[in-house]
Amino acid sequence: AQSVSQHNHHVILSEAASLELGCNYSYGGTVNLFWYVQYPGQHLQLLLKYFSGDPLVKGIKGFEAEFIKSKFSFNLRKPSVQWSDTAEYFCAAGGTSYGKLTFGQGTILTVHP
Amino acid sequence: DSGVTQTPKHLITATGQRVTLRCSPRSGDLSVYWYQQSLDQGLQFLIHYYNGEERAKGNILERFSAQQFPDLHSELNLSSLELGDSALYFCASSVVSGVGYTFGSGTRLTVV
Repeated sequence: AQSVSQHNHHVILSEAASLELGCNYSYGGTVNLFWYVQYPGQHLQLLLKYFSGDPLVKGIKGFEAEFIKSKFSFNLRKPSVQWSDTAEYFCAAGGTSYGKLTFGQGTILTVHP
Repeated sequence: DSGVTQTPKHLITATGQRVTLRCSPRSGDLSVYWYQQSLDQGLQFLIHYYNGEERAKGNILERFSAQQFPDLHSELNLSSLELGDSALYFCASSVVSGVGYTFGSGTRLTVV
């Protein structure tokens, strides 16, 4: 069965701190990986995606993620967080067949100014 | 504005009632997906339609049904509502399956 696991439920950082959110997936076959962000009261927005090629993927707002196939991981990183990064972050995995995405439980990031 | 339009934004209804949630996908997107987001279950895939045809079903209850119309908008029908159906219902659309979606703002359903 497909599954996505996010290691941390709630991460609290100060501004300018570095961020790494963990994501591990279990998926049969070719997998596409995504990170979405949900700001308070808003819809989910795509941060970045990995389909193939360079395992280091750059997304919007300075975020990047690294696909490590041997570890079944797709961790999200940002070198220096801002207060405006306070949000909930979701890792998701999907195949190419029907487009269903399996989401992780989400990680709430709180950044203190 | 993501381009995916969901109505209504908020809905409060009583147990046992039936509601219809509506989603208009981004222009050009043929796929529509429905997800339920609740505190205890997280984001759960409900159903996927592509160009009017059902493509995949997830954890969708028999009391729930959906359809996609010729103009590509979709409706999610929830009947015999229970308190546990209270959640955020998101619609998403994509051009091609599997490439990542664009989400709507969701409909917050409260069953009292």
